[in-house]
Amino acid sequence: KAGVTQTPRYLIKTRGQQVTLSCSPISGHRSVSWYQQTPGQGLQFLFEYFSETQRNKGNFPGRFSGRQFSNSRSEMNVSTLELGDSALYLCASRAGGGQETQYFGPGTRLLVL
Amino acid sequence: QQQVKQSPQSLIVQKGGISIINCAYENTAFDYFPWYQQFPGKGPALLIAIRPDVSEKKEGRFTISFNKSAKQFSLHIMDSQPGDSATYFCAASYSNSGYALNFGKGTSLLVTP
Repeated sequence: KAGVTQTPRYLIKTRGQQVTLSCSPISGHRSVSWYQQTPGQGLQFLFEYFSETQRNKGNFPGRFSGRQFSNSRSEMNVSTLELGDSALYLCASRAGGGQETQYFGPGTRLLVL
Repeated sequence: QQQVKQSPQSLIVQKGGISIINCAYENTAFDYFPWYQQFPGKGPALLIAIRPDVSEKKEGRFTISFNKSAKQFSLHIMDSQPGDSATYFCAASYSNSGYALNFGKGTSLLVTP
């Protein structure tokens, strides 16, 4: 099976702009989670989508949002970008149900200038 | 609030030696403890995982030791190789949270020839 894919891989934006990142999970997986990775804060959970519904949310401001489509693909949106949003954004795919293993994509590197 | 504490932050081991990374947690609801390996420019990859009803799990050169009463778990890499040089993250999650991963801050491992 193909792994988790994320697009784009790199992105440069300026403060105040918004950005949309995309994630395609492993075929058959119904759960998609998003994580932010920064040198200072490490890996932090943003939110999880399962069958098009947000099931769990981390401690991030409302500027961070997401959605999941019927084919399980997911998008994450960040509005009114701040310098501190510069990070590697990782998507993780999980089969769902009682399957706990999460498989990560390569990430999208976002730089906010 | 860091729910999983990881040490050391960095580690240098000679080829053939044993690498040991330790993690501690507070939330007794956690019921799944994975370790991830991350190379530069890549997403984290699952290495090995354990549930709290098991005190030890071994896969090849990698062993997790789990101490439920102390709320600690550790990763041992036997016969460490230069190719093991990477950043290692411990994590903890529980089913009621959709297995949202709470990560440690990571350990940068360097295995010297």
